[in-house]
Amino acid sequence: QSALTQPASVSGSPGQSITISCTGTSRDVGGYNYVSWYQQHPGTAPKLMIFDVTNRPSGVSERFSGSKSGNTASLTISGLQADDEADYYCTSYTYFTTLVFGGGTKVTVL
Amino acid sequence: QVQLVESGGGVVQPGGSLRLSCAASGFTFSRCGMHWVRQAPGKGLEWVGFIRFDGNNQYYADSVKGRFIISRDNSKNTVYLQMNGLRVEDTAVFYCATEGQIGTSLPYYFDDWGQGTLVTVSS
Repeated sequence: QSALTQPASVSGSPGQSITISCTGTSRDVGGYNYVSWYQQHPGTAPKLMIFDVTNRPSGVSERFSGSKSGNTASLTISGLQADDEADYYCTSYTYFTTLVFGGGTKVTVL
Repeated sequence: QVQLVESGGGVVQPGGSLRLSCAASGFTFSRCGMHWVRQAPGKGLEWVGFIRFDGNNQYYADSVKGRFIISRDNSKNTVYLQMNGLRVEDTAVFYCATEGQIGTSLPYYFDDWGQGTLVTVSS
């Protein structure tokens, strides 16, 4: 099971919007609405930001939103803030009854 | 408040075994599937495996299948990861995490996470 494909890095200025892509296949991202996104600051455990493609857990800012088109899911961060600087990972359920992560994207706030 | 505390990490030689534990509190453990996820130093996250809320089903990543076993004791609110045949490439911080869908038989996503325990495989 190959990892999902994410860009290594994305950057933006405070207040801007950025989008992180997560590309898989019809056997994972494209085949199920079970894509989730995680934020990880250095030295800390990951934090759930989006589940089931578009759903935000309670307590997560409305500035974070998820979407999917075909085999590619996306995480958009609007109104970029300094604290958004972190690594972001996508995950998808797969045809093989496993979960697969993307390689991770480092977000830099300029 | 959900709390997950991993323990059991340490240094082990290649080919050796180690058992990690994850003690849970603050939620109804017996209704919740549990995951193990690992992160090699400076690398990304990798799903290791999942155990159903009642312990009757487990699913594993190909990289650990046949070497790692996940079990749980609902009377102790604890999930375990037995790791056998350890390899240098298994060196990582191991996290336990709750499954986001309560009562599900399948793995979908990770809700709450522990702080992790470091496993180092080295001679």
